[in-house]
Amino acid sequence: NAGVTQTPKFQVLKTGQSMTLQCAQDMNHNSMYWYRQDPGMGLRLIYYSASEGTTDKGEVPNGYNVSRLNKREFSLRLESAAPSQTSVYFCAIWGAGYGANVLTFGAGSRLTVL
Amino acid sequence: AQKITQTQPGMFVQEKEAVTLDCTYDTSDQSYGLFWYKQPSSGEMIFLIYQGSYDEQNATEGRYSLNFQKARKSANLVISASQLGDSAMYFCAMRGPNTGNQFYFGTGTSLTVIP
Repeated sequence: NAGVTQTPKFQVLKTGQSMTLQCAQDMNHNSMYWYRQDPGMGLRLIYYSASEGTTDKGEVPNGYNVSRLNKREFSLRLESAAPSQTSVYFCAIWGAGYGANVLTFGAGSRLTVL
Repeated sequence: AQKITQTQPGMFVQEKEAVTLDCTYDTSDQSYGLFWYKQPSSGEMIFLIYQGSYDEQNATEGRYSLNFQKARKSANLVISASQLGDSAMYFCAMRGPNTGNQFYFGTGTSLTVIP
């Protein structure tokens, strides 16, 4: 997962607590994404940012907020965590790699909400 | 609406045999890209192969090839000479202008390679 760093890797929250997932890239790509992965449902887009200063909702944005702090960083915030937000979260960037434009993922962040 | 369908929740293949993982898609775009990713048990998402809608030849990357049938809107992944390390989840994905150039993923196929 060179180029995309997510923190933290694991987190346990109680219902109602807040937290921020951090994502940073060193590949100088414009587009950044947050996905969640749940068993049997593949990856679903939460929010994306086509460039610094812009963000847009994806398929499942409810309960989340994002900030594109600069070109390198794109954070995902849960203001009041709910058990339904228990999931694995992936940050990804879109751009040149492996000989084509591809989506490159971070290692993932496993979040459990009790 | 864009949609990716992977109809095989789980597949088994004997080591050294070939296996085909199915993917069909639905799009009104003329220009789009199709991707396959591998997710081993460690959890990371690994890019495998890409096919552009205007590419005339099927994409190949080592033991991976993509059987692209545009008229049937299918983009099946073929893994030749399966290895134990191929045991993983495999996701098909699509990207096109009508999705705002966003990626949409299928629900995945779990492949188990049997020694």
